Amino acid sequence: QKEVEQNSGPLSVPEGAIASLNCTYSDRGSQSFFWYRQYSGKSPELIMSIYSNGDKEDGRFTAQLNKASQYVSLLIRDSQPSDSATYLCAGSSGGYNKLIFGAGTRLAVHP
Amino acid sequence: NAGVMQNPRHLVRRRGQEARLRCSPMKGHSHVYWYRQLPEEGLKFMVYLQKENIIDESGMPKERFSAEFPKEGPSILRIQQVVRGDSAAYFCASSLYTNSYNEQFFGPGTRLTVL
Repeated sequence: QKEVEQNSGPLSVPEGAIASLNCTYSDRGSQSFFWYRQYSGKSPELIMSIYSNGDKEDGRFTAQLNKASQYVSLLIRDSQPSDSATYLCAGSSGGYNKLIFGAGTRLAVHP
Repeated sequence: NAGVMQNPRHLVRRRGQEARLRCSPMKGHSHVYWYRQLPEEGLKFMVYLQKENIIDESGMPKERFSAEFPKEGPSILRIQQVVRGDSAAYFCASSLYTNSYNEQFFGPGTRLTVL
């Protein structure tokens, strides 16, 4: 069974700190990885995609991919209370046609 | 509104009734995916469709569930003879490509409650 694993949290960080979210995956055939943010009762919102080993930065967000270790991470710099949400890690599978999601990590940013 | 549209947003059905969920992809997108999110659980892939074709239905329950994406009109996810365990949020996503750069964008979801 192809899986994506995440720590469910909650991860609690103070406002202004760096939040570090981690994800591991079992399918070595996965080529693409995505981070989605989901507020309670809302739909997932795509915030980052990463396809190559290394880092990818977009504003306050940095995604990191290490295919040898089958590890994906998301760093959120200068965390804000509005970043409090569940963060879903997903990897592509089945010829890119579907995403396999982790259960999500709840992030709580406190003032 | 250029985003993915889903309706209804909330649907209440009694056990044994049928549920029909509709999804219109983003403008220009021809790839549609359905996912289900059970309470306090992650998103699970159900089915991937292109216009008039089901490409991958490996996540669909074998009984009572069906999906279509006709040449004209929205994609439909149909659940026959609903049971309480079908209560969940059903999300539709669409993408422009189906390759390694397969960024999928989600609609607001349909929250199905089975009484």
